[in-house]
Amino acid sequence: DTAVSQTPKYLVTQMGNDKSIKCEQNLGHDTMYWYKQDSKKFLKIMFSYNNKELIINETVPNRFSPKSPDKAHLNLHINSLELGDSAVYFCASSSGSGANVLTFGAGSRLTVL
Amino acid sequence: GENVEQHPSTLSVQEGDSAVIKCTYSDSASNYFPWYKQELGKRPQLIIDIRSNVGEKKDQRIAVTLNKTAKHFSLHITETQPEDSAVYFCAAISNQAGTALIFGKGTTLSVSS
Repeated sequence: DTAVSQTPKYLVTQMGNDKSIKCEQNLGHDTMYWYKQDSKKFLKIMFSYNNKELIINETVPNRFSPKSPDKAHLNLHINSLELGDSAVYFCASSSGSGANVLTFGAGSRLTVL
Repeated sequence: GENVEQHPSTLSVQEGDSAVIKCTYSDSASNYFPWYKQELGKRPQLIIDIRSNVGEKKDQRIAVTLNKTAKHFSLHITETQPEDSAVYFCAAISNQAGTALIFGKGTTLSVSS
C-alpha cells in the first residue's frame, strides 16, 4: 500500500494551459504539503494544510491554487502554465504540523513546453 | 523565517571512506533536524533525525551531531558504499504554528568503488 500517492507521475503540457495534480495519503496524517523541486534539486515549500485548513502559503503566484477536500487529500491546480513552472512537485504529509517526520509522495514531473 | 545553509554541494569519496555534510540554521527556535536521502528519480526519504534535546544520534553507519549554541548540525557516514551515492538534504523546523520543514540546497554524494 502506497502511503502518499500522487497522480499523474508525468505531465507534459503547453504554455498557457491549466493542469491539476492530485495527492492522497492513507497514513491518517492531518497535515499535508506541496513542495517544488526545481532543476537544481532545491526543495521549496509551497503550501501546507492542517485538517483541510491552509496554514502555510509561501510566496507562490496566485496561478497556483491548492485545495484540500478532506484531510487525506490535497490537490494542486495551476492556471496559465509558464515555462518556469517546469519542476517536480512533491506532496508530503505528517502527523501534525511542526516538528514531525515528513513522508513524501513519488513526485509529479511537470514539463511545460 | 528559517534559513538553512548546506555544504558542500558536491562530495566525492572512495568506497570505505567517511563522508561529512554540514548544515547551519538561522532560527534559534528550530528544534527538529532531519536528514533526507534522495536517489536519482526517487522521492526524498528520511534516513536519520535529531531533536534539540540531544547532541548526537547514531544508526549503524550514519550519525548526526547537533550544536545548538553554534546552530549547526552535521551528517556523518562511515564506511561509505556505492549505494550511498545520492543527494542528501538537511532540514530544520520549529514547533511554532504555521511552519514547515525548510531544506538545505542538498549535497550530491558520489561514492566510487
